[in-house]
Amino acid sequence: DIQLTQSPSFLSASVGDRVTITCRASQGISSYLAWYQQKPGKAPKLLIYAASTLQSGVPSRFSGSGSGTEFTLTISSLQPEDFATYYCQQLNSFGPGTKVDIK
Amino acid sequence: QVQLQESGPGLVKPSQTLSLTCTVSGGSISSGSYYWSWIRQPAGKGLEWIGRIYTSGSTNYNPSLKSRVTISVDTSKNQFSLKLSSVTAADTAVYYCAREELRPTGDWFDPWGQGTLVTVSS
Repeated sequence: DIQLTQSPSFLSASVGDRVTITCRASQGISSYLAWYQQKPGKAPKLLIYAASTLQSGVPSRFSGSGSGTEFTLTISSLQPEDFATYYCQQLNSFGPGTKVDIK
Repeated sequence: QVQLQESGPGLVKPSQTLSLTCTVSGGSISSGSYYWSWIRQPAGKGLEWIGRIYTSGSTNYNPSLKSRVTISVDTSKNQFSLKLSSVTAADTAVYYCAREELRPTGDWFDPWGQGTLVTVSS
């Protein structure tokens, strides 16, 4: 089974900051990666699929890139509503999550 | 748009079987090339995929849970269901149902149900 790791596991940032989260796969997965945002008490919300395709309705400050074994989720200018936990996913595996907190 | 809603008991006794149903509204569970999945999340922890079903009835399960999991579909009711047998406290979690899209370019879960907390306790 493919294992996904995320870094950092926690990051503290301010409104307006550029934030980058990395997801690494234990073997090459082409562009087979999705990103989700989860807020406390809520279901995960799809942000990006196929590594870089923005889901309809998701703000353009979110972007994804990468292929093979290394992928990134970037928030170009962090907004108050973006403080949440972010997960990457490929088929049956989820990454452990990255919590984005207010500095 | 398609919406999913989980239902079932919130409390299950150890060694018994957890049973949940996901009702799909706003579209037919049989339309399109979608899979229907169950995912769980223990409190304060990450997401764990449990299994998926296609409307043909074909299933895939997480190997770590395979011996205890059964997922079924009832297209006449636009529902799919999860049964997890011989539960222990380690199965206490929020259980989500989700639609899975599987394409040559990747796979992703969208939409998700709101989730339902199942506690295993005597």
